[in-house]
Amino acid sequence: DARVTQTPRHKVTEMGQEVTMRCQPILGHNTVFWYRQTMMQGLELLAYFRNRAPLDDSGMPKDRFSAEMPDATLATLKIQPSEPRDSAVYFCASGSDGDGVGDYGYTFGSGTRLTVV
Amino acid sequence: AQSVSQHNHHVILSEAASLELGCNYSYGGTVNLFWYVQYPGQHLQLLLKYFSGDPLVKGIKGFEAEFIKSKFSFNLRKPSVQWSDTAEYFCAVNPPGGGNKLTFGTGTQLKVEL
Repeated sequence: DARVTQTPRHKVTEMGQEVTMRCQPILGHNTVFWYRQTMMQGLELLAYFRNRAPLDDSGMPKDRFSAEMPDATLATLKIQPSEPRDSAVYFCASGSDGDGVGDYGYTFGSGTRLTVV
Repeated sequence: AQSVSQHNHHVILSEAASLELGCNYSYGGTVNLFWYVQYPGQHLQLLLKYFSGDPLVKGIKGFEAEFIKSKFSFNLRKPSVQWSDTAEYFCAVNPPGGGNKLTFGTGTQLKVEL
């Protein structure tokens, strides 16, 4: 089965450190999403890329978070500097919207569990 | 604000009981609707989706959902739950003009007891 690969699976870091999370979308998928999951807020969309271009990052704190797709096989989410309130599970998902009609619904990775102490 | 609502936050059922989880959305126009399941410690997996056509959608593992446009609802059902259905269930909506973006409900934690 094709899968979305996220690394690392777990990350514990000290407040103030830089954190980089990586995602390898499914080959051929042209949309990539970053979600953050916490008990309090549930699933929040942080960023959304289509054909590597950022379409929506309104859910992302701009002062410390950044998301990029350096190429079609890699998406990154960076937090600098990290804070304890960033502790959460970060999911990457990819999908294909083909010619615009689309398949919608997408495949999630296993997530990166981030703990900032 | 436009949103997706799941009113049942926690549901506890005995094995073989029937399940219905509510989902309501507040977007107008044509929407695409989804249910995802997240087993403990795992990622979200697609259960079923509705784009158009028959409003009764059948998904994996015996789940189904019914789209009722007049009620802005997309409730998830299963006639007889199993212990292995213990998980968190998320309703999601792809709103009009939302591209491929999904908005998720807050989730319903289902616990099935033996």
